[in-house]
Amino acid sequence: GENVEQHPSTLSVQEGDSAVIKCTYSDSASNYFPWYKQELGKRPQLIIDIRSNVGEKKDQRIAVTLNKTAKHFSLHITETQPEDSAVYFCAVNSGGYQKVTFGIGTKLQVIP
Amino acid sequence: NAGVMQNPRHLVRRRGQEARLRCSPMKGHSHVYWYRQLPEEGLKFMVYLQKENIIDESGMPKERFSAEFPKEGPSILRIQQVVRGDSAAYFCASSPPYKGDTEAFFGQGTRLTVV
Repeated sequence: GENVEQHPSTLSVQEGDSAVIKCTYSDSASNYFPWYKQELGKRPQLIIDIRSNVGEKKDQRIAVTLNKTAKHFSLHITETQPEDSAVYFCAVNSGGYQKVTFGIGTKLQVIP
Repeated sequence: NAGVMQNPRHLVRRRGQEARLRCSPMKGHSHVYWYRQLPEEGLKFMVYLQKENIIDESGMPKERFSAEFPKEGPSILRIQQVVRGDSAAYFCASSPPYKGDTEAFFGQGTRLTVV
Protein backbone atom coordinates (compact mmCIF):
# COMPACT_ATOMS: atom_id res chain seq x y z
CA GLY A 1 0.00 0.00 0.00
CA GLU A 2 0.89 3.65 -0.13
CA ASN A 3 3.36 4.99 2.44
CA VAL A 4 3.44 8.73 3.12
CA GLU A 5 6.11 10.36 5.24
CA GLN A 6 5.83 13.96 6.41
CA HIS A 7 8.47 16.26 7.93
CA PRO A 8 8.83 18.03 10.24
CA SER A 9 6.34 16.94 12.88
CA THR A 10 6.47 20.36 14.55
CA LEU A 11 7.50 23.73 13.17
CA SER A 12 7.75 27.10 14.85
CA VAL A 13 8.28 30.26 12.82
CA GLN A 14 8.17 33.98 13.50
CA GLU A 15 5.25 35.87 12.05
CA GLY A 16 6.14 37.00 8.54
CA ASP A 17 8.63 34.20 7.91
CA SER A 18 8.06 31.30 5.54
CA ALA A 19 7.18 27.74 6.47
CA VAL A 20 7.92 24.64 4.42
CA ILE A 21 6.51 21.17 4.99
CA LYS A 22 7.71 18.18 2.98
CA CYS A 23 6.18 14.83 2.15
CA THR A 24 7.35 11.74 0.31
CA TYR A 25 5.27 8.89 -1.04
CA SER A 26 5.93 5.41 -2.34
CA ASP A 27 3.37 4.59 -5.04
CA SER A 28 4.44 5.96 -8.41
CA ALA A 29 0.85 5.58 -9.63
CA SER A 30 -0.36 8.26 -7.20
CA ASN A 31 -1.93 11.13 -9.06
CA TYR A 32 -3.55 13.53 -6.63
CA PHE A 33 -1.92 15.32 -3.70
CA PRO A 34 -4.14 17.41 -1.42
CA TRP A 35 -3.07 19.36 1.63
CA TYR A 36 -5.40 19.74 4.59
CA LYS A 37 -5.36 22.20 7.48
CA GLN A 38 -6.86 21.15 10.78
CA GLU A 39 -7.42 23.67 13.53
CA LEU A 40 -7.76 22.45 17.08
CA GLY A 41 -10.96 20.50 17.57
CA LYS A 42 -12.11 21.01 14.00
CA ARG A 43 -12.31 18.96 10.83
CA PRO A 44 -9.58 18.81 8.20
CA GLN A 45 -10.18 21.27 5.40
CA LEU A 46 -8.58 21.30 2.00
CA ILE A 47 -6.30 24.30 1.47
CA ILE A 48 -4.61 23.40 -1.81
CA ASP A 49 -4.12 20.42 -4.06
CA ILE A 50 -1.97 19.43 -6.99
CA ARG A 51 -2.38 16.87 -9.68
CA SER A 52 0.34 14.75 -11.17
CA ASN A 53 0.50 16.63 -14.44
CA VAL A 54 1.45 19.88 -12.73
CA GLY A 55 4.76 20.73 -11.03
CA GLU A 56 3.72 23.75 -9.01
CA LYS A 57 0.55 25.51 -7.94
CA LYS A 58 0.11 28.74 -6.05
CA ASP A 59 -2.83 30.32 -4.25
CA GLN A 60 -2.01 33.64 -2.60
CA ARG A 61 0.41 32.87 0.26
CA ILE A 62 0.25 29.12 -0.21
CA ALA A 63 2.09 27.09 -2.83
CA VAL A 64 2.65 23.42 -3.44
CA THR A 65 5.39 21.81 -5.52
CA LEU A 66 5.51 18.28 -6.83
CA ASN A 67 8.48 16.23 -8.02
CA LYS A 68 7.11 13.01 -9.46
CA THR A 69 10.51 11.57 -10.27
CA ALA A 70 11.65 11.89 -6.67
CA LYS A 71 8.16 11.19 -5.33
CA HIS A 72 8.01 14.14 -3.04
CA PHE A 73 5.87 17.24 -2.71
CA SER A 74 6.01 20.27 -0.47
CA LEU A 75 3.78 22.95 1.00
CA HIS A 76 5.13 26.49 1.19
CA ILE A 77 3.45 29.19 3.26
CA THR A 78 4.89 32.69 2.88
CA GLU A 79 4.37 35.73 5.13
CA THR A 80 2.99 33.53 7.87
CA GLN A 81 0.33 34.90 10.21
CA PRO A 82 -0.82 33.71 13.65
CA GLU A 83 -4.01 32.31 12.11
CA ASP A 84 -1.87 29.93 10.06
CA SER A 85 -1.15 28.07 13.31
CA ALA A 86 -2.70 24.60 12.91
CA VAL A 87 -1.84 21.03 12.01
CA TYR A 88 -1.19 20.48 8.33
CA PHE A 89 -1.58 17.11 6.67
CA CYS A 90 -0.31 16.07 3.30
CA ALA A 91 -2.23 13.33 1.56
CA VAL A 92 -1.91 11.07 -1.44
CA ASN A 93 -4.56 9.50 -3.61
CA SER A 94 -3.33 6.48 -5.48
CA GLY A 95 -6.03 6.77 -8.06
CA GLY A 96 -8.19 3.76 -7.46
CA TYR A 97 -10.72 5.78 -5.53
CA GLN A 98 -10.69 8.32 -2.75
CA LYS A 99 -8.74 6.14 -0.39
CA VAL A 100 -6.50 8.94 0.72
CA THR A 101 -3.39 8.16 2.70
CA PHE A 102 -2.42 10.93 5.09
CA GLY A 103 0.92 11.97 6.45
CA ILE A 104 1.40 12.11 10.21
CA GLY A 105 0.82 15.86 10.27
CA THR A 106 2.92 18.95 11.02
CA LYS A 107 1.99 21.17 13.92
CA LEU A 108 2.79 24.71 12.79
CA GLN A 109 3.08 27.46 15.34
CA VAL A 110 3.40 31.04 14.14
CA ILE A 111 4.84 33.24 16.87
CA PRO A 112 3.56 36.85 16.82
CA ASN B 1 -25.90 22.06 0.70
CA ALA B 2 -25.46 21.27 4.37
CA GLY B 3 -22.13 19.53 3.93
CA VAL B 4 -21.17 16.24 5.53
CA MET B 5 -23.15 15.80 8.73
CA GLN B 6 -21.97 13.64 11.56
CA ASN B 7 -23.72 12.91 14.81
CA PRO B 8 -23.33 12.89 17.59
CA ARG B 9 -20.47 15.39 17.89
CA HIS B 10 -19.47 13.95 21.25
CA LEU B 11 -20.19 10.48 22.56
CA VAL B 12 -19.30 9.03 25.93
CA ARG B 13 -19.52 5.32 26.47
CA ARG B 14 -18.55 3.02 29.29
CA ARG B 15 -16.27 0.10 28.58
CA GLY B 16 -18.25 -2.77 27.08
CA GLN B 17 -21.02 -0.64 25.63
CA GLU B 18 -21.74 -0.11 21.96
CA ALA B 19 -21.04 3.09 20.04
CA ARG B 20 -22.95 4.03 16.89
CA LEU B 21 -21.63 6.90 14.82
CA ARG B 22 -23.67 8.36 11.98
CA CYS B 23 -22.64 10.12 8.80
CA SER B 24 -24.81 11.74 6.17
CA PRO B 25 -22.79 12.55 3.05
CA MET B 26 -23.13 15.71 1.04
CA LYS B 27 -25.99 15.81 -1.42
CA GLY B 28 -24.99 14.05 -4.61
CA HIS B 29 -22.14 12.15 -2.97
CA SER B 30 -22.40 8.39 -3.07
CA HIS B 31 -19.00 7.53 -1.61
CA VAL B 32 -18.33 7.55 2.12
CA TYR B 33 -15.04 7.10 3.97
CA TRP B 34 -14.39 6.71 7.66
CA TYR B 35 -11.14 7.82 9.28
CA ARG B 36 -9.95 7.56 12.86
CA GLN B 37 -7.74 10.15 14.51
CA LEU B 38 -6.11 9.24 17.78
CA PRO B 39 -5.05 12.13 20.05
CA GLU B 40 -2.01 13.95 18.67
CA GLU B 41 -1.90 11.68 15.62
CA GLY B 42 -2.83 11.76 11.95
CA LEU B 43 -5.89 10.38 10.23
CA LYS B 44 -6.00 6.68 9.51
CA PHE B 45 -8.24 5.23 6.83
CA MET B 46 -10.74 2.70 8.12
CA VAL B 47 -13.31 1.87 5.47
CA TYR B 48 -14.73 2.98 2.13
CA LEU B 49 -18.36 2.38 1.30
CA GLN B 50 -20.80 3.01 -1.47
CA LYS B 51 -24.52 2.55 -1.11
CA GLU B 52 -25.15 -1.00 0.17
CA ASN B 53 -21.54 -2.01 -0.54
CA ILE B 54 -18.31 -2.13 1.41
CA ILE B 55 -15.58 -1.46 -1.11
CA ASP B 56 -12.48 -1.45 1.07
CA GLU B 57 -12.34 -2.23 4.77
CA SER B 58 -8.61 -2.80 4.95
CA GLY B 59 -8.23 -0.26 7.75
CA MET B 60 -10.92 -1.67 10.00
CA PRO B 61 -9.92 -3.63 13.09
CA LYS B 62 -10.93 -7.22 12.54
CA GLU B 63 -13.11 -7.44 15.62
CA ARG B 64 -15.80 -5.25 17.16
CA PHE B 65 -15.89 -2.71 14.31
CA SER B 66 -18.40 -2.73 11.47
CA ALA B 67 -19.73 -0.21 8.97
CA GLU B 68 -22.69 0.05 6.69
CA PHE B 69 -24.16 2.47 4.20
CA PRO B 70 -27.76 1.42 3.54
CA LYS B 71 -29.81 2.35 0.53
CA GLU B 72 -31.72 4.83 2.66
CA GLY B 73 -30.29 6.77 5.57
CA PRO B 74 -26.87 7.62 6.86
CA SER B 75 -23.72 5.55 6.99
CA ILE B 76 -23.18 3.94 10.37
CA LEU B 77 -19.88 3.05 12.05
CA ARG B 78 -20.56 0.62 14.85
CA ILE B 79 -18.13 -0.26 17.61
CA GLN B 80 -19.15 -3.08 19.89
CA GLN B 81 -17.83 -3.64 23.42
CA VAL B 82 -15.81 -0.44 23.39
CA VAL B 83 -12.46 -0.26 25.16
CA ARG B 84 -10.44 2.76 26.32
CA GLY B 85 -8.22 2.50 23.23
CA ASP B 86 -11.21 3.24 21.02
CA SER B 87 -11.28 6.81 22.36
CA ALA B 88 -10.58 8.98 19.33
CA ALA B 89 -12.10 11.36 16.84
CA TYR B 90 -13.88 9.57 14.03
CA PHE B 91 -14.22 11.54 10.83
CA CYS B 92 -16.44 10.74 7.91
CA ALA B 93 -15.73 12.09 4.44
CA SER B 94 -17.72 11.92 1.26
CA SER B 95 -16.99 12.42 -2.41
CA PRO B 96 -18.92 12.29 -5.64
CA PRO B 97 -18.69 9.24 -7.87
CA TYR B 98 -15.08 8.55 -8.62
CA LYS B 99 -13.14 10.99 -10.73
CA GLY B 100 -9.79 10.11 -9.28
CA ASP B 101 -8.70 13.55 -8.29
CA THR B 102 -11.49 15.15 -6.34
CA GLU B 103 -11.56 16.58 -2.88
CA ALA B 104 -13.03 14.52 -0.09
CA PHE B 105 -15.19 16.67 2.17
CA PHE B 106 -14.96 15.97 5.86
CA GLY B 107 -17.63 16.12 8.49
CA GLN B 108 -17.06 17.74 11.87
CA GLY B 109 -16.21 14.42 13.44
CA THR B 110 -17.51 12.44 16.39
CA ARG B 111 -15.32 12.49 19.46
CA LEU B 112 -15.72 9.21 21.27
CA THR B 113 -14.64 8.97 24.87
CA VAL B 114 -14.64 5.60 26.57
CA VAL B 115 -14.69 5.77 30.35
